[in-house]
Amino acid sequence: AQSVTQLGSHVSVSEGALVLLRCNYSSSVPPYLFWYVQYPNQGLQLLLKYTSAATLVKGINGFEAEFKKSETSFHLTKPSAHMSDAAEYFCAVNYPGGATNKLIFGTGTLLAVQP
Amino acid sequence: DAGVTQSPTHLIKTRGQQVTLRCSPKSGHDTVSWYQQALGQGPQFIFQYYEEEERQRGNFPDRFSGHQFPNYSSELNVNALLLGDSALYLCASTLQEAGYTFGSGTRLTVV
Repeated sequence: AQSVTQLGSHVSVSEGALVLLRCNYSSSVPPYLFWYVQYPNQGLQLLLKYTSAATLVKGINGFEAEFKKSETSFHLTKPSAHMSDAAEYFCAVNYPGGATNKLIFGTGTLLAVQP
Repeated sequence: DAGVTQSPTHLIKTRGQQVTLRCSPKSGHDTVSWYQQALGQGPQFIFQYYEEEERQRGNFPDRFSGHQFPNYSSELNVNALLLGDSALYLCASTLQEAGYTFGSGTRLTVV
């Protein structure tokens, strides 16, 4: 079954520190992968997406993610955390062109940024 | 360029009642998907509409139904509301296999 696993439901970093949010997918076919951010009481905003082009994907707000097929991973990173990065982050996957093109989400990682 | 618009933003209903949520997709998008996000969880796919027909459905009971209109806007209907239906309902639109754009959601509380 296709699924997404986000390791760590809560991550806390200091302002200026590296942000690393982990995402692993389970699939036998190459997926498209996404990272979304959700601020309190708001919808989902797309940070970045991987669609089988370059494996290192740069997104908005200084975030980037690297697709590693051998590790079935798509971890999200940012070199220096800012207070405004505090939010919930969701990794998602879909399989365009197949019978299923819905987005399958992980359970989310709540990022706290300490001053 | 307006993004995805959902209405209402908040709603309180009583168990057993029926509710209708509305979604206007981003300009140029023809496909609308609905997701349910319970507190502390990731969004769960309910169904997707394309060309006014339900194209895919997630693991939700028949109490959940929808509709898409010729202008691509969509409604989500939930009958016989249960306390467990309390959640944030998100609408997402897309054009073919381009990226999904999400609305801000409708917060439904069932009491």
